[in-house]
Amino acid sequence: SQTIHQWPATLVQPVGSPLSLECTVEGTSNPNLYWYRQAAGRGLQLLFYSVGIGQISSEVPQNLSASRPQDRQFILSSKKLLLSDSGFYLCAWSSGNTGELFFGEGSRLTVL
Amino acid sequence: AQSVTQLDSHVSVSEGTPVLLRCNYSSSYSPSLFWYVQHPNKGLQLLLKYTSAATLVKGINGFEAEFKKSETSFHLTKPSAHMSDAAEYFCVVSVPTGGFKTIFGAGTRLFVKA
Repeated sequence: SQTIHQWPATLVQPVGSPLSLECTVEGTSNPNLYWYRQAAGRGLQLLFYSVGIGQISSEVPQNLSASRPQDRQFILSSKKLLLSDSGFYLCAWSSGNTGELFFGEGSRLTVL
Repeated sequence: AQSVTQLDSHVSVSEGTPVLLRCNYSSSYSPSLFWYVQHPNKGLQLLLKYTSAATLVKGINGFEAEFKKSETSFHLTKPSAHMSDAAEYFCVVSVPTGGFKTIFGAGTRLFVKA
């Protein structure tokens, strides 16, 4: 069966520090991968998606970036965090057949 | 264009009473429709999905939803609420445009009173 792992679960970082959130998927190959952000009391915002290694599409301009160094690994990064980067970050994957998404447990980022 | 509207931002019910979470959609294509549940500080879990088969879809934890094309609705129901149903619920539309484009509703927070 397929599983998705996301870490770290919680992170407290000072403004201006770097960020790296990692997501890996097991039990499937060539998944579509996604990073979403959920600000407090708000819905989900798609940040990045990837249909293959090295293929990244950005949905919103910001100081975050994403990379897919391996087929089942998706990384969200920032060189310098802003206060507005605080939120709940969710990684997800899909097989591309039905549009169904499978989510990780999320990473809570607090920027102080 | 595609869109999803969850008609209630908050719904409050008493334990043991029915639950109704409303969702309307707009789509130029034949959509797939989903309901996800999110408990605090957790990821989203799929409750049920409609992918052009039976219009009445049964999901986990006693939830079901009916796809009504004429009303462009996909409301989520449960006959009897349980305290553990308290969570955020998202209605989602997915359309096959160059892969899949997925649109999330704003979410409905369900409160269950003892």
